[in-house]
Amino acid sequence: DTAVSQTPKYLVTQMGNDKSIKCEQNLGHDTMYWYKQDSKKFLKIMFSYNNKELIINETVPNRFSPKSPDKAHLNLHINSLELGDSAVYFCADPGLESHEQYFGPGTRLTVT
Amino acid sequence: KQEVTQIPAALSVPEGENLVLNCSFTDSAIYNLQWFRQDPGKGLTSLLLIQSSQREQTSGRLNASLDKSSGRSTLYIAASQPGDSATYLCAVRDNYGQNFVFGPGTRLSVLP
Repeated sequence: DTAVSQTPKYLVTQMGNDKSIKCEQNLGHDTMYWYKQDSKKFLKIMFSYNNKELIINETVPNRFSPKSPDKAHLNLHINSLELGDSAVYFCADPGLESHEQYFGPGTRLTVT
Repeated sequence: KQEVTQIPAALSVPEGENLVLNCSFTDSAIYNLQWFRQDPGKGLTSLLLIQSSQREQTSGRLNASLDKSSGRSTLYIAASQPGDSATYLCAVRDNYGQNFVFGPGTRLSVLP
């Protein structure tokens, strides 16, 4: 079974739209992350979410908001999409502190 | 603020060569360090995880070392194969266990 899954794999949308990316983990851990990988392939953490508490928000615009309906899901909502939001977004389960971090397959978002 | 760099940015070698990828970090107060592989258009696959108390980890043809005091890690790949072609990323986890910082990656091409 895949530890972390994301949908959709590709998302093409126009500027100004609102969209969501879904993420699910089946590892039973409390914390989930969202990362953004830009066109230069730099991978930067956006959010750390632990039991409905936002722990880290690394200078991310408030148009981006994580929503966790339950422990296994952390969805990423993006409002008023901009061209610069085009990137690959990864959901991850950082695991227990001494364990590996597991990544989802990524969602390639293209804003036109 | 933790910064992670990787050298070289790109590397091209003939099949069969042994090679070393380098990762440096500025703050030695890390919990662990993880090496990932990313194939074009794909997600991240965990290769090796080294705890801060460990010096090295091995998996098959891969060996990762960690010198925490000098802020360095190396990934050694023995007898490289064309299938090893990918981008290799290192990531450090801070001592609080919550924050991850990634390096920019090394793009490896193994020529048949």
